[in-house]
Amino acid sequence: DAGITQSPRHKVTETGTPVTLRCHQTENHRYMYWYRQDPGHGLRLIHYSYGVKDTDKGEVSDGYSVSRSKTEDFLLTLESATSSQTSVYFCAISEDWTDNQPQHFGDGTRLSIL
Amino acid sequence: AQKVTQAQTEISVVEKEDVTLDCVYETRDTTYYLFWYKQPPSGELVFLIRRNSFDEQNEISGRYSWNFQKSTSSFNFTITASQVVDSAVYFCALSGPGTYKYIFGTGTRLKVLA
Repeated sequence: DAGITQSPRHKVTETGTPVTLRCHQTENHRYMYWYRQDPGHGLRLIHYSYGVKDTDKGEVSDGYSVSRSKTEDFLLTLESATSSQTSVYFCAISEDWTDNQPQHFGDGTRLSIL
Repeated sequence: AQKVTQAQTEISVVEKEDVTLDCVYETRDTTYYLFWYKQPPSGELVFLIRRNSFDEQNEISGRYSWNFQKSTSSFNFTITASQVVDSAVYFCALSGPGTYKYIFGTGTRLKVLA
């Protein structure tokens, strides 16, 4: 199994509060991703990173920010959580894009915003 | 535009039956990659297979087999002699050349009944 740890695994919080999810990898992979999974939508990319301090937006980035200060850690922040951000969040990593190496996923974080 | 369609929302079979999960894709790229992932009830996403557009050979791995047909833009997944442990949601995904971006289908939930 790819060495990916997401924390916390479950979180319940209130609307308007800030939330930070952490993804930690031990594979030394350059590329990291944050997805959200919602019924009827499959997985949708929020943000991704192609190196330390190098990040960019995915297709559903509004309301989210990310940071990557070390190769192994990729943080996803909801500055002011809304109920529409209730979802299951997955972190993924991959070795490179040039050969479309598969992305490997963490176990997910279930986030509920009341 | 790229798109992945998994028209079967849910399939139920009895143990030992064979089952095929359909995946139809749309892309204008001549080079592309297709993936299958499994999400068991525990929630993690497990990579199963990657196939590039130049390799149309069918692939078999134990009870799993994949049929890639460019003529019909399909990448179907067959489980032979299904088992209860095969119960999961299965996702098909598409990626263009040298890109981080995956387009996921909405998934097919497979229930294998004892």
